[in-house]
Amino acid sequence: DGGITQSPKYLFRKEGQNVTLSCEQNLNHDAMYWYRQDPGQGLRLIYYSQIVNDFQKGDIAEGYSVSREKKESFPLTVTSAQKNPTAFYLCASKITGLAGNTIYFGEGSWLTVV
Amino acid sequence: GESVGLHLPTLSVQEGDNSIINCAYSNSASDYFIWYKQESGKGPQFIIDIRSNMDKRQGQRVTVLLNKTVKHLSLQIAATQPGDSAVYFCAERVTGGGNKLTFGTGTQLKVEL
Repeated sequence: DGGITQSPKYLFRKEGQNVTLSCEQNLNHDAMYWYRQDPGQGLRLIYYSQIVNDFQKGDIAEGYSVSREKKESFPLTVTSAQKNPTAFYLCASKITGLAGNTIYFGEGSWLTVV
Repeated sequence: GESVGLHLPTLSVQEGDNSIINCAYSNSASDYFIWYKQESGKGPQFIIDIRSNMDKRQGQRVTVLLNKTVKHLSLQIAATQPGDSAVYFCAERVTGGGNKLTFGTGTQLKVEL
């Protein structure tokens, strides 16, 4: 099946630890995104990448890092510098150019700080 | 700053009735809008989209209306079913904004039997 796969679904982090959330897509999409969602709120953009080996900060990039070494993969690292990391994290992707405007989402990863 | 917002945080409708979810946007440079449905604990699902050069677009049981004069977007769901219960988000894309989407806070749709 084609789609966006996020793992793990649930992750617990101790304070001071870095954790990495995985996002893989087999849709051959060029652009990939990471959003954060807090309870009862909308989605806020953390980082995005429109092409391999290139990425840009979104609205709330502080305390996060990403890499885009492969087209199909866009992992997100939540570092210890992120003071309030407990949230639902959503990865998304889309085709660039006029042919594709819609962003498609994975099923999300829940991160809890313990 | 520019923002996308929703008028009602919660909307309750009877099964079989039509639902209308509203969204206001403030960026006149937005050229593309999407409605997403998000069920609890899941990622948002694409419902329908509309470009700024259109006023109306219809899908299966859903219709999106765009009023650029007052910067208003609405999602109409016909014959609402229990499976329609979810949070609905509108999102806008600003021309030249790097294909980023800005999301509203969402409206919770509750379908009563």
